[in-house]
Amino acid sequence: QVQLVQSGAEVKKPGASVKVSCKASGYTFTNFDIHWVRQATGQGLEWMGWMNANSGNTGYAQKFQGRVTLTRNTSISTAYMELSSLTSEDTAVYYCARLLVYCNNKGCLKYFTHWGQGTLVTVSS
Amino acid sequence: AIQLTQSPSSLSASVGDRVTITCRASQGISSTLAWYQQKPGKPPKLLIYGASSLESGVPSRFSGSGSGTDFSLTISSLQPEDFATYYCQQFNSYPPSFGQGTRLEIK
Repeated sequence: QVQLVQSGAEVKKPGASVKVSCKASGYTFTNFDIHWVRQATGQGLEWMGWMNANSGNTGYAQKFQGRVTLTRNTSISTAYMELSSLTSEDTAVYYCARLLVYCNNKGCLKYFTHWGQGTLVTVSS
Repeated sequence: AIQLTQSPSSLSASVGDRVTITCRASQGISSTLAWYQQKPGKPPKLLIYGASSLESGVPSRFSGSGSGTDFSLTISSLQPEDFATYYCQQFNSYPPSFGQGTRLEIK
């Protein structure tokens, strides 16, 4: 079965960087884009960016441009999200999610079928 | 960027009730809308895609409708396990966006 398993919780100081991993199993890693979404405590879902797991091409939300970097290691089916210049506002649970694209003669639908379990990143001095 | 506005933000209901949550897009998004359910401490779970298609394994009491700018998620008869937060999400264009969520609580 498809699984996305993320790395464990992190505590970082303001100004530091964090790198979260997302290990995929149960499918061909390079066949699907991986997206990253975060959620502050008690808040909604915020999309951060995407990565084509085959080519490594990426796209980022404007809010995170210059601070977030998405990479992957195809040999171990793992995607990474690195966020730099952390502030307390970055304290949140970070999720990776696999995008499914379904196309028919009416167009293409895109939605997240599988999610990692989430990684809590706490930024505190 | 496309904004999604859900209503209500919170809702109290009883087991067996029929409830409807709405999601309005700031511009037309055809049928490129999905609904997710999230329980505390868990990632979101896909319920509906393409505005009205039920994800495999999701109970048939969940249904979605709409196209263009106005969408709805209906739960025909609430079960105890349905009390959670629900999010709509559009993927008509980048950046993909989520509604602010609707918290469904037990009355």
